[in-house]
Amino acid sequence: GAVVSQHPSRVICKSGTSVKIECRSLDFQATTMFWYRQFPKQSLMLMATSNEGSKATYEQGVEKDKFLINHASLTLSTLTVTSAHPEDSSFYICSAGSKGERSHEQYFGPGTRLTVT
Amino acid sequence: RKEVEQDPGPFNVPEGATVAFNCTYSNSASQSFFWYRQDCRKEPKLLMSVYSSGNEDGRFTAQLNRASQYISLLIRDSKLSDSATYLCVVNRGQAGTALIFGKGTTLSVSS
Repeated sequence: GAVVSQHPSRVICKSGTSVKIECRSLDFQATTMFWYRQFPKQSLMLMATSNEGSKATYEQGVEKDKFLINHASLTLSTLTVTSAHPEDSSFYICSAGSKGERSHEQYFGPGTRLTVT
Repeated sequence: RKEVEQDPGPFNVPEGATVAFNCTYSNSASQSFFWYRQDCRKEPKLLMSVYSSGNEDGRFTAQLNRASQYISLLIRDSKLSDSATYLCVVNRGQAGTALIFGKGTTLSVSS
């Protein structure tokens, strides 16, 4: 199946700093990527939909100025958590949608575990 | 009402047991339905898509009832390796739209 990578896999940062997470589709072009986060013992919650070349669409309750998303190419989307606080500590996962007859499928990255101290 | 609701679990079963998970979704425009499996501290992995006619993949059988907006997963002859959290997932509408995850049901299979 298609491969999606994320970097870094794990990051620890101090409160107030910003953290950038990269999501790459390695063997296909993804016009749309999705960002999710998962708190302990909770399910994945959609944060935003990232469209190549246009602004991201954020879910209700997700601050677009805090979670900056850039989808500058068909293979890369980035999520920047600005001025991170301990409550932002979570598992962040991206996914990328394929095209054509497999457009209903999404491929997930391995996730990034963020800890803010 | 939550977009996707699942049995709360956890389900603790012995090896060889048959176990069923249920799920309901609220968006009648959803067109794609899936069961994902998630192991502890890992990303979710697609277990199987769910089709209106029902579909089977080895020991796993999925059913979809669009009229009642209900999805099920049946696991036969449970194995220790089936222990995981099972996530019911639907899309928001047209192909390529975001996936909405249920909270998940935890299955623990013991010997």
